[in-house]
Amino acid sequence: EAGVTQFPSHSVIEKGQTVTLRCDPISGHDNLYWYRRVMGKEIKFLLHFVKESKQDESGMPNNRFLAERTGGTYSTLKVQPAELEDSGVYFCASSLESSGNTIYFGEGSWLTVV
Amino acid sequence: AQSVTQLDSQVPVFEEAPVELRCNYSSSVSVYLFWYVQYPNQGLQLLLKYLSGSTLVKGINGFEAEFNKSQTSFHLRKPSVHISDTAEYFCAVNRADYGKLTFGQGTILTVHP
Repeated sequence: EAGVTQFPSHSVIEKGQTVTLRCDPISGHDNLYWYRRVMGKEIKFLLHFVKESKQDESGMPNNRFLAERTGGTYSTLKVQPAELEDSGVYFCASSLESSGNTIYFGEGSWLTVV
Repeated sequence: AQSVTQLDSQVPVFEEAPVELRCNYSSSVSVYLFWYVQYPNQGLQLLLKYLSGSTLVKGINGFEAEFNKSQTSFHLRKPSVHISDTAEYFCAVNRADYGKLTFGQGTILTVHP
């Protein structure tokens, strides 16, 4: 069974450009989470989807970030326009249940904004 | 809200030595506790978790952790480390009915030959 997959694995873009990160959760997992780790900081929660609905988006830093999960399958996280401080690694995770007793992470998408 | 403090940012050890990575947490509600590992250029892998029951939890690759409710700690231990254990280790907690994780700052474990 495939794990959580993320694309692209690495991305280098210029300040002001747009980047879209994609996450495919484990098949059948209704719960999908985005996290990120910017340089020198801890991994922080961004948002949580249950199927196609945003359950909790309290961690989204500002309105330059837009997450979608159309159809309740894969999710995208768009950063527009990207700023230097957005550089870091963006992790996607999924779980079968909302209780959070087992959460599986992807390999991460490493974003560098220059 | 929950918070997690990993007391050591870096831990250097020699191969075959024992190691302990320390984690303290704060929460006003029941929590689940986790240790994740990130090997160089890889994603986050679950090492072990505490949900309930026995306070001593065994994980993959010979690691174990002990939940201490009175000290609000969840330290990770391994009796004998290998070079391949070199990685960054993250302690994390979530409210025991919701999957939103709060992570510590990470501890870089470097195993020297």
